[in-house]
Amino acid sequence: EDQVTQSPEALRLQEGESSSLNCSYTVSGLRGLFWYRQDPGKGPEFLFTLYSAGEEKEKERLKATLTKKESFLHITAPKPEDSATYLCAVRGSGTYKYIFGTGTRLKVLA
Amino acid sequence: NAGVTQTPKFQVLKTGQSMTLQCAQDMNHEYMSWYRQDPGMGLRLIHYSVGAGITDQGEVPNGYNVSRSTTEDFPLRLLSAAPSQTSVYFCASSYVAGGGELFFGEGSRLTVL
Repeated sequence: EDQVTQSPEALRLQEGESSSLNCSYTVSGLRGLFWYRQDPGKGPEFLFTLYSAGEEKEKERLKATLTKKESFLHITAPKPEDSATYLCAVRGSGTYKYIFGTGTRLKVLA
Repeated sequence: NAGVTQTPKFQVLKTGQSMTLQCAQDMNHEYMSWYRQDPGMGLRLIHYSVGAGITDQGEVPNGYNVSRSTTEDFPLRLLSAAPSQTSVYFCASSYVAGGGELFFGEGSRLTVL
């Protein structure tokens, strides 16, 4: 059964304090691993798609990496506006179903 | 560019009532889906569709009905609302043949008393 586990559940950082969020997954043939950002009261907003182990993608202070078992979302020198819940999802090959993790709530303090 | 539009944003129902959550997208996406989001449970797939006339069940389909008569619209029907269906509902769409990233609506918050 396809499964996604995210850790930690919550993370508090000081502004400028870099850290990483983890997404562990099991899936029958990875079609894609997705990272989303969700602000309170809003729908998830797409950040990255990773397709194969070793792939990396960057956007501003965020960098996503992928291995065969997990993905990391690295946040470098975060700012208060990076505070949000970050969601990870996978889609297996041969399916149109996306499996989401429960997310990591990030709070960046000024 | 409207993207994915959900209505209503808020709704309160009594147990046993029925209602329809509306979802429309203007990106010509073949794939559309409905999720519910509950605290500590993450996003769970209710139903999805890969094109007009084609629908399939997700992880938690019981108590919900869908149809896809056009590419643009994918309504979610609650047949007889129960308190367990109190949740935030999200509609999402994507290209079938593309990268697969989902585009989400702003959500519909439903309370069943």
